[in-house]
Amino acid sequence: GQQVMQIPQYQHVQEGEDFTTYCNSSTTLSNIQWYKQRPGGHPVFLIQLVKSGEVKKQKRLTFQFGEAKKNSSLHITATQTTDVGTYFCAGLKETSGSRLTFGEGTQLTVNP
Amino acid sequence: NAGVTQTPKFQVLKTGQSMTLQCAQDMNHNSMYWYRQDPGMGLRLIYYSASEGTTDKGEVPNGYNVSRLNKREFSLRLESAAPSQTSVYFCASSVQGPRGEQFFGPGTRLTVL
Repeated sequence: GQQVMQIPQYQHVQEGEDFTTYCNSSTTLSNIQWYKQRPGGHPVFLIQLVKSGEVKKQKRLTFQFGEAKKNSSLHITATQTTDVGTYFCAGLKETSGSRLTFGEGTQLTVNP
Repeated sequence: NAGVTQTPKFQVLKTGQSMTLQCAQDMNHNSMYWYRQDPGMGLRLIYYSASEGTTDKGEVPNGYNVSRLNKREFSLRLESAAPSQTSVYFCASSVQGPRGEQFFGPGTRLTVL
């Protein structure tokens, strides 16, 4: 079953509010990737984090990788309607070889 | 570059029918993947091919077979479709393994009646 847990499953915000999704693994990860999937579309890569405690920013998006490399978060500041979609984390376990494990995703809706 | 292409886009099958989902990439990537996506389940890996000539089972391989035809093409076959295989299927590729960006195709929406 899923070993990378993602919360919340759904998030509804008003445009301009902030949004955060969290990803947690029971085991240490080699790296973690984040993807965005628009409604009816396919997942699109956003970023990869590799180092313990790493923080990366892309405009209004901030990505963090935990010190223990077991959790990660994606924070969006001042959401816009273009942020609508489902955000997935995907972790590579240190012992898994070639398998990325995806979280269940957080579906974000933004009310204008 | 077309990136990752998949055919067909939609398919309806009856239980017991067989079909092959086609995937091709023009980015000269070594690794290719097949995922299925069900509501609330995220993406689950069915099979992957780390490089041309190799294939390995993922998390949910039962009921599926794959063929890495060449470096560009990776097909997924359902020998005897079941309603539980109703899903959206995504093919993806990456330069080399899971330690980098995966590029996804547009998906195939499969319904098994």
